[in-house]
Amino acid sequence: QSVLTQPPSASGTPGQRVTISCSGSSSNIGSNYVHWYQQLSGTAPKLLIYRNNQRPSGVPDRFSGSKSGTSASLAISGLRSEDEANYYCAAWDDSLGGPVFGGGTKLTVL
Amino acid sequence: QITLKESGPTLVKPTQTLTLTCTFSGFSLSTSGVGVGWIRQPPGKALEWLALIYWDDNKRYSPSLKSRLTITKDTSKNQVVLTMTNMDPVDTATYYCAHLYGSGTYYYYYYMDVWGKGTTVTVSS
Repeated sequence: QSVLTQPPSASGTPGQRVTISCSGSSSNIGSNYVHWYQQLSGTAPKLLIYRNNQRPSGVPDRFSGSKSGTSASLAISGLRSEDEANYYCAAWDDSLGGPVFGGGTKLTVL
Repeated sequence: QITLKESGPTLVKPTQTLTLTCTFSGFSLSTSGVGVGWIRQPPGKALEWLALIYWDDNKRYSPSLKSRLTITKDTSKNQVVLTMTNMDPVDTATYYCAHLYGSGTYYYYYYMDVWGKGTTVTVSS
């Protein structure tokens, strides 16, 4: 069982806006940055959002991140078929002394 | 451009020791603000952090696997090696190494920004 909690699935139609939640505790999300990764089928994870809401170069501004208290969210606007993937949140955990991941959310574009 | 590539055996027997090598380019592990991490992903399951090593040779291990893991770096070869002892079928997974980017000794600020493609390891007799 993952330290960070994500819904196992999410879905939307092209053009819609979807959000994926990530819930943690005071030892991880509550006191550290949250990062998001996109994993397309059969490929390695790719950094999507770092330090709560920063986008690496090349990531479309359709992707945005936010954090409040011990929870975080990833929002995807203008949903496209190529956004169909698994999405993972991650954060440093002070108690474990390392990073922890969410269980992943499989996004389906209907 | 930062790249990382994992290498090692694709099949190991139960109780054996697994040795994986991450060979990287585009950065030096002797530069402040840099590290390399190992992460694994069992088939159809979530990502799991294993170990981290930083530019200053600081090391972190997943508490649940700490007794079985050793991470080392060879700065001259641009390599990081992970060993995992007493392998079991539940350790079957794709193993990734990733570049860590952060700031000095504020280890909680680091994040994995570039990942290797991963190497699949099966544990079976």
